[in-house]
This record gives sequence, C-alpha cells and structure tokens, in this order.
Amino acid sequence: SQQGEEDPQALSIQEGENATMNCSYKTSINNLQWYRQNSGRGLVHLILIRSNEREKHSGRLRVTLDTSKKSSSLLITASRAADTASYFCATDIIQGAQKLVFGQGTRLTINP
Amino acid sequence: EPEVTQTPSHQVTQMGQEVILRCVPISNHLYFYWYRQILGQKVEFLVSFYNNEISEKSEIFDDQFSVERPDGSNFTLKIRSTKLEDSAMYFCASRQDGSLAFFGQGTRLTVV
Repeated sequence: SQQGEEDPQALSIQEGENATMNCSYKTSINNLQWYRQNSGRGLVHLILIRSNEREKHSGRLRVTLDTSKKSSSLLITASRAADTASYFCATDIIQGAQKLVFGQGTRLTINP
Repeated sequence: EPEVTQTPSHQVTQMGQEVILRCVPISNHLYFYWYRQILGQKVEFLVSFYNNEISEKSEIFDDQFSVERPDGSNFTLKIRSTKLEDSAMYFCASRQDGSLAFFGQGTRLTVV
C-alpha cells in the first residue's frame, strides 16, 4: 500500500449527516494535513495535526491521529451540500525535504 | 490570508514545445514545491526547493523538467519538449518549516 491512503474512495450521504473519512500511512511523520479540492480547482488546506497531538477541531471539522496505528480520520459534522468535494490527507514525512505525500483522496458527495 | 499565486491558469501548448509555469510563493516561506495532478488521479510530488537549490525530486522529475527561483519572489517550473502525457494540473506550494503548506490554484497544462 502507499503512503497516505484514504478510505472510502467515494462517500455519498444526505445533507445534515456526518461524514467520516480515514487515512492510513506507512512511515513516521512530523504531521498530517487534510486538504479539500473542489472539482478541477486548487487545494485548500483544512487542518494540520502534529504527531504529538491526538485530536483537533476546527469549526465542523474534527481530526484524529493515532500514530500507533498510523491512521487519521476526518469527521465533518452536519454536512452541507457545499461540502461536496474531494478530500485528501497528506503526510509530512520525517525524512527528506519535508515534502507532503498525498493519498488518493475521498470523493464526498452531499445530497440535498 | 496570504496566498500562493500561479500563472497562467490555463496553458495550451503543442507537443514538443517548452512551457514555463510561474508561481509567486508566500514571501516569508522557506520551502517551495511543485506537484502534479493528472485528471482524476492523486496529487504527485515533483520537486522541492530550499535554500536556492533542489532538496528532493521524484522519479517523474527527469531531465525534461527544471526549476528556478530567478529572483526573490518568483518560482518557475520549466518543462522542455512537452509530451501528451504531461497534460495535467500543476500546483505550486510553499511553507515555513513544518507548517501547513499553502497551494496555488494551479495551472492546467494541455499538450496537444
């Protein structure tokens, strides 16, 4: 498997429901970042969680990090149609040039 | 909020031609990156740049590619002798040490 794999690959839920996306990785990290991408558009950073943190909140977003399992989750509560987008986790690996390694992404569709 | 700007937003070029994609990173950032995203696929790391030199490059970043920071503000990606498979969205990013990476809106390169 690759560094930074999200699941599910696609998720479709009703507006108002919560959406949970998961990310697994393989190597040690400095931090893990979540990004959002609307179709054909740029990457917008959502939240960064450091390797010594376990949970972080930002508005309707909640991110958890379990370094022992090398996994992270992104929870979007009370979803809205405008949350429809692709969501990527990106791991900031310890070795090398502090590059971010992206996963395949989760395509989230919120149905009105 | 400060932002990374990329120009042009869309570039169409004939196969075999050279293109230069331009980026203005955030002024006090230290690390600069180019990423590529082929339509519908994951975001792939191309190259990182720190202290006026390449700090890491991927297998994709072969002799066809080069980067330059010609002055204190611009960061360019040159693609020589473009091929059809170079068609993709190219993203520039910048960051401080260990922080969130800020991405530009991307340049959509179409090679015909």
